[in-house]
Amino acid sequence: DVVMTQSPLSLFVTLGQPASISCRSSQSLVYSDGKTYLNWFQQRPGQSPRRLIYKVSNRDSGVPDRFSGSGSGTDFTLKINRVEAEDIGVYYCMQGAHWPRTFGQGTKVEIK
Amino acid sequence: EVQLVDSGGGLVQPGGSLKLSCAASGFTFSDSAMNWVRQAPGKGLEWVGRIRTKTNNYATVYAESVKGRFTISRDDSSNTAYLQMNSLKTEDTAVYYCTTLVVSAPGDYWGQGTLVTVSS
Repeated sequence: DVVMTQSPLSLFVTLGQPASISCRSSQSLVYSDGKTYLNWFQQRPGQSPRRLIYKVSNRDSGVPDRFSGSGSGTDFTLKINRVEAEDIGVYYCMQGAHWPRTFGQGTKVEIK
Repeated sequence: EVQLVDSGGGLVQPGGSLKLSCAASGFTFSDSAMNWVRQAPGKGLEWVGRIRTKTNNYATVYAESVKGRFTISRDDSSNTAYLQMNSLKTEDTAVYYCTTLVVSAPGDYWGQGTLVTVSS
């Protein structure tokens, strides 16, 4: 199985400051069609997960543009430009290039 | 409005069975593969399995941890996906979410989750 490793696992951020989460995969996430299948999810306290980003850098509808995804191959990053209070929660990366689908351990974002 | 409504969770003894349902509305269910993802208390997300569409022969694939014990099915006439769970173990205790888990296009949907507790 593809192992997804996130860092850090916990992040304390100041409102208005940037935040960055790293995700590394044990295998390339480039599929046979040449595209890279890496998603990012946000799970707010008490809520279901919500997809933020698909195929590395494509933001879902309704996702603020302060969220951005980047990376290639096995190394990926989710950045939050200026953290707002509503951004607290746990963030997961997930690979969609191989079966079984696998998630990172999650990064808990809290406000300082 | 897109909705996935998970139901059927509850308390079951080890070795028992439970069937979860996921009622979909607001999108073309019959054209969508459906997945189940679970989350043990205080833990991260674990993919459980997926069922494809009729066009793809309703093909299923499962995580090793549930293979042979869990079965995913669907009824396109009622826009409902199911997760039949047999031979349940205490480690199957989790909130179970149905989700489209789309990896390649806009539009990804999740249910609210249903809690399964396996305990004697």
